[in-house]
Amino acid sequence: DTEVTQTPKHLVMGMTNKKSLKCEQHMGHRAMYWYKQKAKKPPELMFVYSYEKLSINESVPSRFSPECPNSSLLNLHLHALQPEDSALYLCASSQGAVPGEKLFFGSGTQLSVL
Amino acid sequence: GESVGLHLPTLSVQEGDNSIINCAYSNSASDYFIWYKQESGKGPQFIIDIRSNMDKRQGQRVTVLLNKTVKHLSLQIAATQPGDSAVYFCAEKVASGTYKYIFGTGTRLKVLA
Repeated sequence: DTEVTQTPKHLVMGMTNKKSLKCEQHMGHRAMYWYKQKAKKPPELMFVYSYEKLSINESVPSRFSPECPNSSLLNLHLHALQPEDSALYLCASSQGAVPGEKLFFGSGTQLSVL
Repeated sequence: GESVGLHLPTLSVQEGDNSIINCAYSNSASDYFIWYKQESGKGPQFIIDIRSNMDKRQGQRVTVLLNKTVKHLSLQIAATQPGDSAVYFCAEKVASGTYKYIFGTGTRLKVLA
């Protein structure tokens, strides 16, 4: 199994809503990532979890709250988002802090904030 | 030909020709690089990788070249096919306490029939 599974595939939410994005992998990877991608732009790193601990937060606004319940799961909790937060949110995983390992991506959640 | 402007750089090639997509990376300490292909509505898909102790690596129809002197990476696709049409990103692995992957700006490849 070399898949990273993200749910939901599409999400529309209002600025006062609370929602969560979910990501799951069963490759035994110990590093998991959230990226944000706007149209025609490269993915931008948001958060990195290494061995279930938050290791990198790229100065992301607090309305985005990541959570890593266990080594296979990664969530992104959303609250009071702005329309400019509309984007494709990508989850990825890798074996860990080991040189030369691949980064595997899910298909993403297309988020629209109204 | 290749165009760079306000939008994603685009490379148009005839079907059957070879394609060369270029990428400049930022950190001379980066030790690992990946090329990704991203089709519309999908996540990035791994194509090929290379470590910093190598200059060249070949896969099936693809070759990656690494020039550490000028911090330049290229992806060569042989006999380009319509299914190769996508956006291609290079990514560098940067040590920052833990490791993180930083993506280049991307190039759209259009294959002309």
